[in-house]
Amino acid sequence: QSALTQPASVSGSPGQSITISCTGTNSDIGYYDYVSWYQQHPGKAPKLMIYDVTNRPSGVSNRFSGFKSGNTASLTISGLQAEDEADYYCNSYAKTKTPYVVFGGGTKLTVL
Amino acid sequence: QVQLQESGPGLVRPSDTLSLTCSVSGYSISRGYYWVWIRQPPGKGLEWIGSIFHSGSTHYNPSLKSRVTISSDTSKNFFSLKLSSVTAADTAVYYCATFHGAPRFEAFDIWGQGTLVTVSS
Repeated sequence: QSALTQPASVSGSPGQSITISCTGTNSDIGYYDYVSWYQQHPGKAPKLMIYDVTNRPSGVSNRFSGFKSGNTASLTISGLQAEDEADYYCNSYAKTKTPYVVFGGGTKLTVL
Repeated sequence: QVQLQESGPGLVRPSDTLSLTCSVSGYSISRGYYWVWIRQPPGKGLEWIGSIFHSGSTHYNPSLKSRVTISSDTSKNFFSLKLSSVTAADTAVYYCATFHGAPRFEAFDIWGQGTLVTVSS
């Protein structure tokens, strides 16, 4: 199976909004509403930011929002803050003969 | 609260079997949820290795399936990963993870700290 496709990097200035895309196929993002997004700071374990395409876990800022259209999911961060600088990964439930999980390659967010 | 802790050798020889354990505290693994292994090669992205459901059923990454075994010991409340015939490409930080509150297959809100396993002679 192929990894989901994410841009290698995105950047934005404090206060601005950015969007990270995550493109899959009809076997994963396009078929299931089970897309999650993770934030990872250097040397740390990933942190769940969005699940089921749009849901935020308790404690995650409402500056983070998720969306999906067709085979592409997206994560939008509004009101960028310095602490948002991190790597972001998407993943999705997928199924061919049996279920599995596929991750995106990751996007480095730089806050200018 | 639920906490996960990986443990195991930090160095494995090529062609040997990598064995890791994830100790779970704050929740009985036999009660519910998927318990998952994920890895991250140095400087690279995340890769789902596989999962074990509280019932004992397992699912594996198709690209690793021939080499992976995930099992659990409910009496000691841990689950384990075995990856056979390792090569340098298996060098990575290995994480165990789960989603607390519902049996989610693909979302993980609780992670261990991760353990680096290096494959080298």
